Amino acid sequence: DAKTTQPNSMESNEEEPVHLPCNHSTISGTDYIHWYRQLPSQGPEYVIHGLTSNVNNRMASLAIAEDRKSSTLILHRATLRDAAVYYCILSRNNDMRFGAGTRLTVKP
Amino acid sequence: NAGVTQTPKFQVLKTGQSMTLQCAQDMNHNSMYWYRQDPGMGLRLIYYSASEGTTDKGEVPNGYNVSRLNKREFSLRLESAAPSQTSVYFCASTWFLGGEETGNTIYFGEGSWLTVV
Repeated sequence: DAKTTQPNSMESNEEEPVHLPCNHSTISGTDYIHWYRQLPSQGPEYVIHGLTSNVNNRMASLAIAEDRKSSTLILHRATLRDAAVYYCILSRNNDMRFGAGTRLTVKP
Repeated sequence: NAGVTQTPKFQVLKTGQSMTLQCAQDMNHNSMYWYRQDPGMGLRLIYYSASEGTTDKGEVPNGYNVSRLNKREFSLRLESAAPSQTSVYFCASTWFLGGEETGNTIYFGEGSWLTVV
């Protein structure tokens, strides 16, 4: 199974950028990199995903290393509503397995 | 659009009782999933169904059975509930194109809180 490694927790100040790292050294050529986040008492929600190239959407940016063994989720300006657990996931075929994620705390 | 709907939202069971968690999606997705999340932990995959008529084990399948009743519905059954199965259960779905295409968004239900005493 493809595994990811993330820091347990991170802190950020409001309105500052946040870089959430993820290591996935066992990634295979066809694994997509997904990021989801989970707000308290809710189901996870989609943030962004990519395969090889960096990706941007209205929520975040995803920077993928050239060797694809790591990636970084970038929140350009953290808000209090971004406080959540962020999961980095590799999808292989139809199998989507979440790890423990990174708990992001945003300080006002 | 309702998206992914799970029932019940809350349930208390006695050890040894059985129950079924129901999940339905209205997005015409072919793939569906069941996860559990213990307090303070990440999600763990119990079972998934790539398409109607197929099911596969995930990380923690023991003590559970699933049925992909039709394209819309995917149920999770606890035959003999144990306190270790106290958890929040999430159902999810996506459109899986097959082969190497695994880049589609997964949509989650709101969760079912299950307590086994």
